[in-house]
Amino acid sequence: EVQLVESGGGLVQPGGSLRLPCAASGFSFSTYAMSWVRQAPGKGLEWVSAISGSGGSTYYADSAKGRFTISRDNSKNTLYLQMNSLRLDDTAVYYCAKERNSKGYYDYWGQGTLVIVSS
Amino acid sequence: EIVLTQSPGTLSLSPGERATLSCRASQSVSSNYLAWYQQKPGQAPRLLIYGASSRATDIPDRFSGSGSGTDFTLTISRLEPEDFAVYYCQQYSSSPLTFGGGAKVEI
Repeated sequence: EVQLVESGGGLVQPGGSLRLPCAASGFSFSTYAMSWVRQAPGKGLEWVSAISGSGGSTYYADSAKGRFTISRDNSKNTLYLQMNSLRLDDTAVYYCAKERNSKGYYDYWGQGTLVIVSS
Repeated sequence: EIVLTQSPGTLSLSPGERATLSCRASQSVSSNYLAWYQQKPGQAPRLLIYGASSRATDIPDRFSGSGSGTDFTLTISRLEPEDFAVYYCQQYSSSPLTFGGGAKVEI
């Protein structure tokens, strides 16, 4: 059974940093591209970042460029999102998601972890 | 960036009725790289349709997708109580990946 479990969310002040891990199990982790997608309270879904199976290629939304870094440790079956210079509008539930056949759509999602940026 | 506009924003229907949701793209979605997801309150999204018309694993056949180019449709042929939720379309033909704003199907 495929499982994705995010953690690391919480309350952080504007300008602060947070690292979100996503532990994956039940599939060959290194074979698949992975993404982070976020959802602000009461709002829609927003793609944040993606990484290839090997970790050699990374992609970012404009809102994340220069502030967020996606990475993965295939030996630990874990995806990460390092978030720096956090802003109020980064407040959201952050989901990690597995790409089906690395095509850019998602067949499995984690339960999400809530990040609140507030002073 | 491809902007996806979903309509209507809210659809008020009864169990057993047919739901038709629209997703219009600001430019052509190549290779019909369009997916649909269902999201219930407090839950993660669930993949329903990919490639505009292919049902994902274990998705009932009352869900169907159609369309090409810039106009896509998700149809739920006969609403079951568990289908009342928010539905999102997503294009994966070009970066950045983008989602529509969502459409709520309510009783």
